[in-house]
Amino acid sequence: AQSVSQHNHHVILSEAASLELGCNYSYGGTVNLFWYVQYPGQHLQLLLKYFSGDPLVKGIKGFEAEFIKSKFSFNLRKPSVQWSDTAEYFCAVNSGGYQKVTFGTGTKLQVIP
Amino acid sequence: DVKVTQSSRYLVKRTGEKVFLECVQDMDHENMFWYRQDPGLGLRLIYFSYDVKMKEKGDIPEGYSVSREKKERFSLILESASTNQTSMYLCASSPVGTHMNTEAFFGQGTRLTVV
Repeated sequence: AQSVSQHNHHVILSEAASLELGCNYSYGGTVNLFWYVQYPGQHLQLLLKYFSGDPLVKGIKGFEAEFIKSKFSFNLRKPSVQWSDTAEYFCAVNSGGYQKVTFGTGTKLQVIP
Repeated sequence: DVKVTQSSRYLVKRTGEKVFLECVQDMDHENMFWYRQDPGLGLRLIYFSYDVKMKEKGDIPEGYSVSREKKERFSLILESASTNQTSMYLCASSPVGTHMNTEAFFGQGTRLTVV
């Protein structure tokens, strides 16, 4: 069974600091990887996704993620965070030609002005 | 814009009641999902459906059932609500894409409290 681990549960940063959120998955075959974001009071929305090709994926609002197959990782990065990035971030994976998507436990990011 | 609409934002029900949570999507998506979201546990899949009248159990189906009579509507049913089913429930839909390269679109969520 596929599983996703997010090691940081709560991250607090000052504005302009760099961000890296960790995500590791367990499935060894072909995977599709996602980062979703949930802003306070809003629905979950897609930040970026990886299916194939260039392992460095760029998403909305200046976010990017790198797929490292050898490390089973898909870490999310942003060079300079803003107060508006305060949200909860979820890594997700779907694999094996199956429709089911498995989510991690989420990381709450708080950006202090 | 894809829209996934959940019928209620907040619900309060009594233990033992039968509870229906409704979800409608307007983009003709084949797949629909029900998740529950709990602090520290992320999103856990309860059930999903890949076609009308088809359903598959997710990771935590116990105490729940689902119904999909029409493509656009996916209902989650709590047969006899219990306090441990107090949670945020999220509905999502996604199209069938090549190589499963599709994203899910989520509703606003229903916060259910069972007292």
